[in-house]
Amino acid sequence: AQSVTQLGSHVSVSEGALVLLRCNYSSSVPPYLFWYVQYPNQGLQLLLKYTSAATLVKGINGFEAEFKKSETSFHLTKPSAHMSDAAEYFCAVSPAGAGGTSYGKLTFGQGTILTVHP
Amino acid sequence: DADVTQTPRNRITKTGKRIMLECSQTKGHDRMYWYRQDPGLGLQLIYYSFDVKDINKGEISDGYSVSRQAQAKFSLSLESAIPNQTALYFCATSFRGWLYFGPGTRLTVL
Repeated sequence: AQSVTQLGSHVSVSEGALVLLRCNYSSSVPPYLFWYVQYPNQGLQLLLKYTSAATLVKGINGFEAEFKKSETSFHLTKPSAHMSDAAEYFCAVSPAGAGGTSYGKLTFGQGTILTVHP
Repeated sequence: DADVTQTPRNRITKTGKRIMLECSQTKGHDRMYWYRQDPGLGLQLIYYSFDVKDINKGEISDGYSVSRQAQAKFSLSLESAIPNQTALYFCATSFRGWLYFGPGTRLTVL
């Protein structure tokens, strides 16, 4: 069984400030972890993913996330927020391996809406 | 052209009506998925298909059915729509763990 909890349904930052979106997961097997972004009226776009290689994962648009097994966390960060970062962000988990049958069968968090103020 | 397309993009229907949402992809992926998005709940998996002959139920399949007409086409049907099926529906394909989402269909059931 697996689950994802995103702490904070809304996060507001000023332009140029640090962005920190929190994600904690629960998984009975080693997980793959993902962050997706959804802009208004669009589908989800993959930001980055962790698949048991480097624990610090760099994604698109300057975002990165660090896998911390001891804390069961996969928080998303960006050093300096831009107005274009305003969107909803989803953390997701799937079981690693399993012969590939887990691919696409993600469990999503409830989402965090990021607002960026000028 | 988009790699994963969904039709219609918006649909309003009435309780009890049958409705079909269609998904097509040009990525050549075998695996296709239907997800439902509700505000504050994230996305939930409805059905998934690993190839034309392999269709599986997801977390919330009750009230839905699917058809994989070809590698490139995966349709979702609501046999008798009800208001709590009002949601945003996403089709997706995957390859090596990467999910590629369509733009979504916003369905309203009155």
